[in-house]
Amino acid sequence: NAGVTQTPKFRVLKTGQSMTLLCAQDMNHEYMYWYRQDPGMGLRLIHYSVGEGTTAKGEVPDGYNVSRLKKQNFLLGLESAAPSQTSVYFCASSSGQGTQPQHFGDGTRLSIL
Amino acid sequence: AQSVTQPDIHITVSEGASLELRCNYSYGATPYLFWYVQSPGQGLQLLLKYFSGDTLVQGIKGFEAEFKRSQSSFNLRKPSVHWSDAAEYFCAVAQRDNFNKFYFGSGTKLNVKP
Repeated sequence: NAGVTQTPKFRVLKTGQSMTLLCAQDMNHEYMYWYRQDPGMGLRLIHYSVGEGTTAKGEVPDGYNVSRLKKQNFLLGLESAAPSQTSVYFCASSSGQGTQPQHFGDGTRLSIL
Repeated sequence: AQSVTQPDIHITVSEGASLELRCNYSYGATPYLFWYVQSPGQGLQLLLKYFSGDTLVQGIKGFEAEFKRSQSSFNLRKPSVHWSDAAEYFCAVAQRDNFNKFYFGSGTKLNVKP
């Protein structure tokens, strides 16, 4: 019963490097989301997708790109990592049916040196 | 813009004592309301949700929350806390006309004393 799976769980990057975080869900959910969590700030929405092939900006999209080529996967990319992007990243998915809640992965802890 | 306020950053209660975590929101209409719990190193797990109807909602693990429209509040309660309830708790709201817009509070860390 996997639910939402995020890879990798931990990563350390140098400033300027690029990387992609992968989120996979096996619940056939239409909607997927990427958040970042910083101390004292709760979760902030980076980007989201309402279906395969669609993406939209959230609250803090700058410095990130996303793709949803397959319904079950939602990729978050950092083209040129900056120390300000050090954070814990969470992926979530939902059916998008009215009042259904979001289901979260366990997070990716990313450090940018 | 919407906002969600959890005024208590840290709360410590003794095991067996009652608990109330506060949540206030700012929004023009009644939003959808949620409480999530996050254990260390884990993602967020839904405790309960409110959409309409009875303003007192029951959730998992013995938690309940009461929606008070006049106070724009959705406080989480538990009559008797267990040591395993130590975690961080997040209140969240979603717009009724745009369910993709989820807003989270900054969280309340709960410590439970033996």
